Amino acid sequence: QQQVKQSPQSLIVQKGGISIINCAYENTAFDYFPWYQQFPGKGPALLIAIRPDVSEKKEGRFTISFNKSAKQFSLHIMDSQPGDSATYFCAASIRTGGSYIPTFGRGTSLIVHP
Amino acid sequence: KAGVTQTPRYLIKTRGQQVTLSCSPISGHRSVSWYQQTPGQGLQFLFEYFSETQRNKGNFPGRFSGRQFSNSRSEMNVSTLELGDSALYLCASSGDPGTGGGQYFGPGTRLTVT
Repeated sequence: QQQVKQSPQSLIVQKGGISIINCAYENTAFDYFPWYQQFPGKGPALLIAIRPDVSEKKEGRFTISFNKSAKQFSLHIMDSQPGDSATYFCAASIRTGGSYIPTFGRGTSLIVHP
Repeated sequence: KAGVTQTPRYLIKTRGQQVTLSCSPISGHRSVSWYQQTPGQGLQFLFEYFSETQRNKGNFPGRFSGRQFSNSRSEMNVSTLELGDSALYLCASSGDPGTGGGQYFGPGTRLTVT
């Protein structure tokens, strides 16, 4: 049972374009939504995160849009660069036992062509 | 601060053997979580330790176990290895897991079971 559905599985964008990755969840108990970036041979790195009381959060070229009623959230990468080529994971976290435990989407492989 | 370190980086084992992986969190972080990453199942949560106590556990068989030491370093053990245990095992530490502040991942240990 996949609790967090991520799409697309792969994405090819030209340099300077906008990359958009979407995620959807079912469990309304999730209340923290981070995005991670993973390069080959490395562990995931936290990119940006949002809580459900906010509809949008922007950090540099990265923006999360959050739609609580639709139970969907997305990552927008503006002015995409070849260095952004990586795998991106969305996650939905629930607080349990005193910690936030994430459930990850399956990942999106982004390739930005120069 | 030094990042999360994991040893060894690569490991080859035979079915039926057991293996122990090690993780040193970021200095000052008391929460350590372990994840299994495979192409088929993606990133899956194994367990989380906080101040030497297992606080959360994912849906994995009892062959997967872990522990945390007083200096927050953590080990995970997999007994009676199966071919399906071949994966990248990631460790992540968090300084304040109760606020959802995100986790910092190590580079992972690539385990191959033959």
